[in-house]
Amino acid sequence: AQKITQTQPGMFVQEKEAVTLDCTYDTSDQSYGLFWYKQPSSGEMIFLIYQGSYDEQNATEGRYSLNFQKARKSANLVISASQLGDSAMYFCAMTLGGTGNTPLVFGKGTRLSVIA
Amino acid sequence: DVKVTQSSRYLVKRTGEKVFLECVQDMDHENMFWYRQDPGLGLRLIYFSYDVKMKEKGDIPEGYSVSREKKERFSLILESASTNQTSMYLCASSSQGQLTDTQYFGPGTRLTVL
Repeated sequence: AQKITQTQPGMFVQEKEAVTLDCTYDTSDQSYGLFWYKQPSSGEMIFLIYQGSYDEQNATEGRYSLNFQKARKSANLVISASQLGDSAMYFCAMTLGGTGNTPLVFGKGTRLSVIA
Repeated sequence: DVKVTQSSRYLVKRTGEKVFLECVQDMDHENMFWYRQDPGLGLRLIYFSYDVKMKEKGDIPEGYSVSREKKERFSLILESASTNQTSMYLCASSSQGQLTDTQYFGPGTRLTVL
């Protein structure tokens, strides 16, 4: 069965510093996608970044980048130049290849707090 | 702009009541999903649907049912609400066929069962 592990329940980072949120995954499939979502206190899940298992380059979206290490089965999220508005829960998730019907499997999340 | 809406942000119901949670998407997506979110447990899949009138059980379907009569609408039904169904419920939708297809989420419904 597929599994996502986020080992950091909570993280603190100083404003303007970079922070890495850890994510490891477990699947025997060769084709899969990895996602990161942000959930502010309002509750809505906001898509941040995607990495495909066959992508050779690490994904980047503005201040977000994904450190993808396939052999180690890790997909860590790096947030550069942290802002106060980055304080939120962050979820790593995975979907499997094929028709695209497979639902996301989520980790338990990491709560990030940005300190001024 | 993509849009997934849920009928209520907050809902309070009594034990034994029948509860309907509605989700509507305007992106013509084939796939729709219902998750519940509890502290320390992350998001867990209740049911999903990949077409009108089709449904698949997720990881925790017990105590829930779903209905998808139209492509844009996916309803979650609690036949007889219980206190252990107090939770945050999130609806999502995605298009079909590509690994890159992102799931878009609604704002969530915080349900309290007394």
